[in-house]
Amino acid sequence: GAGVSQSPSNKVTEKGKDVELRCDPISGHTALYWYRQSLGQGLEFLIYFQGNSAPDKSGLPSDRFSAERTGGSVSTLTIQRTQQEDSAVYLCASSSPPGQGTQPQHFGDGTRLSIL
Amino acid sequence: AQSVTQPDIHITVSEGASLELRCNYSYGATPYLFWYVQSPGQGLQLLLKYFSGDTLVQGIKGFEAEFKRSQSSFNLRKPSVHWSDAAEYFCAVGGRGGSEKLVFGKGTKLTVNP
Repeated sequence: GAGVSQSPSNKVTEKGKDVELRCDPISGHTALYWYRQSLGQGLEFLIYFQGNSAPDKSGLPSDRFSAERTGGSVSTLTIQRTQQEDSAVYLCASSSPPGQGTQPQHFGDGTRLSIL
Repeated sequence: AQSVTQPDIHITVSEGASLELRCNYSYGATPYLFWYVQSPGQGLQLLLKYFSGDTLVQGIKGFEAEFKRSQSSFNLRKPSVHWSDAAEYFCAVGGRGGSEKLVFGKGTKLTVNP
């Protein structure tokens, strides 16, 4: 598709379960970002992938959070042993490679995660 | 540390009125500045960006923003608001042409009265 695609759009799960959120970036975009949007904290950076470089994980809130990007394209954000404070909208964004002019980030519609 | 402040949590304007949403930033190097808009249940849509050059930038949907380095501001404006502009607006700062992580303000929710 033309835009960033995220799935599922909504996810409801019980506390303590693991969840996986998927992001399919815009074709040709080498940079991929995950953000979290919650009522109390606003929009927070989680992790950033750029090509084959080591990801910037500085925004991950705990070791229960991890992400991978396979083949330089699709990314999965995994949250283990979910807690109620993990309830939020998880947004993925992608941008074109550095050096190709300006590279604004383009966002998907997000995954709304609710922990019961 | 990088930060963005949007002083107005909620703004209400009448349709046809002018609009200005405020944004102040703190960034140690040359900032790259963005305004995004979010409708309910949707992701963020880029309205406009400032990277360099002319400090008055034009965006989509009739929006514009002015970069004022001396005031560390990047305010968003629109001369005449339409009901469809009702949404939440986020100002963000980033580096390296936008290829680094973005730091967002808390957002300003815009309500448009008929």
